[in-house]
Amino acid sequence: ETGVTQTPRHLVMGMTNKKSLKCEQHLGHNAMYWYKQSAKKPLELMFVYNFKEQTENNSVPSRFSPECPNSSHLFLHLHTLQPEDSALYLCASSTLAGEELFFGEGSRLTVL
Amino acid sequence: DQQVKQNSPSLSVQEGRISILNCDYTNSMFDYFLWYKKYPAEGPTFLISISSIKDKNEDGRFTVFLNKSAKHLSLHIVPSQPGDSAVYFCAASAPVGAGGTSYGKLTFGQGTILTVHP
Repeated sequence: ETGVTQTPRHLVMGMTNKKSLKCEQHLGHNAMYWYKQSAKKPLELMFVYNFKEQTENNSVPSRFSPECPNSSHLFLHLHTLQPEDSALYLCASSTLAGEELFFGEGSRLTVL
Repeated sequence: DQQVKQNSPSLSVQEGRISILNCDYTNSMFDYFLWYKKYPAEGPTFLISISSIKDKNEDGRFTVFLNKSAKHLSLHIVPSQPGDSAVYFCAASAPVGAGGTSYGKLTFGQGTILTVHP
């Protein structure tokens, strides 16, 4: 079982759809993150959760709604997205010291 | 304002030779630097890191050098192998929060695509 698992790996959705990305970590970490990777751009931090509490929202539009029910699970709820939101969404986890992130394989999102 | 920059989008190297990947940063508060490697269809994986109190860290074929005065770091891979072909991301963090911990707020560069030819 890999350390950080993301589902689905690929998602195609219309602008009016509502979908969710799921992340699960089996590393016993207490911090979880959502990053976005667009083509030819650096990874951009979206959200940080420590012990289920959101500690960082990096000016992310409200059409992205994170949820962290416990330290092992993280969701990203998507609604009324735009085509420019098409990207690779990466989940990561870490200890609270947070200097080394363990990434999942990513969810490739395409918004039509 | 991009605080971490990898100015070379790609690098091509012959197997057995040295690969040198470069990274520049602008934020003088950064005190911890990491390199991640990413294969297609996989998430980034941690490769090597260096704290600002050091200027070199070595792990097998991988060595990271830090020049604080120039705000520059580099990753050397020697000897390069075809399996090293991947995208390499430089990342940096600054101490925030209680006790100076950084809580994983990494700032990433754009990445450099390394291709090692047999």
